[in-house]
Amino acid sequence: DAKTTQPPSMDCAEGRAANLPCNHSTISGNEYVYWYRQIHSQGPQYIIHGLKNNETNEMASLIITEDRKSSTLILPHATLRDTAVYYCIVRPTNTNAGKSTFGDGTTLTVKP
Amino acid sequence: DGGITQSPKYLFRKEGQNVTLSCEQNLNHDAMYWYRQDPGQGLRLIYYSQIVNDFQKGDIAEGYSVSREKKESFPLTVTSAQKNPTAFYLCASGRDGSNQPQHFGDGTRLSIL
Repeated sequence: DAKTTQPPSMDCAEGRAANLPCNHSTISGNEYVYWYRQIHSQGPQYIIHGLKNNETNEMASLIITEDRKSSTLILPHATLRDTAVYYCIVRPTNTNAGKSTFGDGTTLTVKP
Repeated sequence: DGGITQSPKYLFRKEGQNVTLSCEQNLNHDAMYWYRQDPGQGLRLIYYSQIVNDFQKGDIAEGYSVSREKKESFPLTVTSAQKNPTAFYLCASGRDGSNQPQHFGDGTRLSIL
């Protein structure tokens, strides 16, 4: 299964864009990149996912490099409520879709 | 509202005792999952089930057991064989397939008395 690498922590000023990087150099062609976030003592919340193309929804944008070896999650206008641990994961092929690996994630701290 | 319900929120276990954590979903999802989270760490997969009456071991299944008799329910039993059970346990569900996100419950925090 493809593994992901994320920086352990990042800071961002309130109102500015938060750009969270993720490396997944061993990703295979039919594996999706997913992002979740977890606020302390709660279950992870789904944010966004993509395969090849860039994706945008009401929460964030996902930029995937052309070689698919890395991606960036963008929170366009970070608020204090965006302070959380952000996980980037790769979903394996359909027969093993359950075996997603969550690493230690990036702790994003949004500061006033 | 549709969602995943985990109970209880807090659970205490005595040495040598089995305990069962409940997970129920009304999202009509085929797949369900159990994860363990230790302080400051990511989630590790314990068991998952992609269909009723079938389940697969994850990365850390030793000392745990599950059943999937109904689509809506996927209880996890932490047995006495699990020597370090203190952790935050998360249940998730999803439509099967790599293009489908998982939806998580709010977790059960298990502690040893």
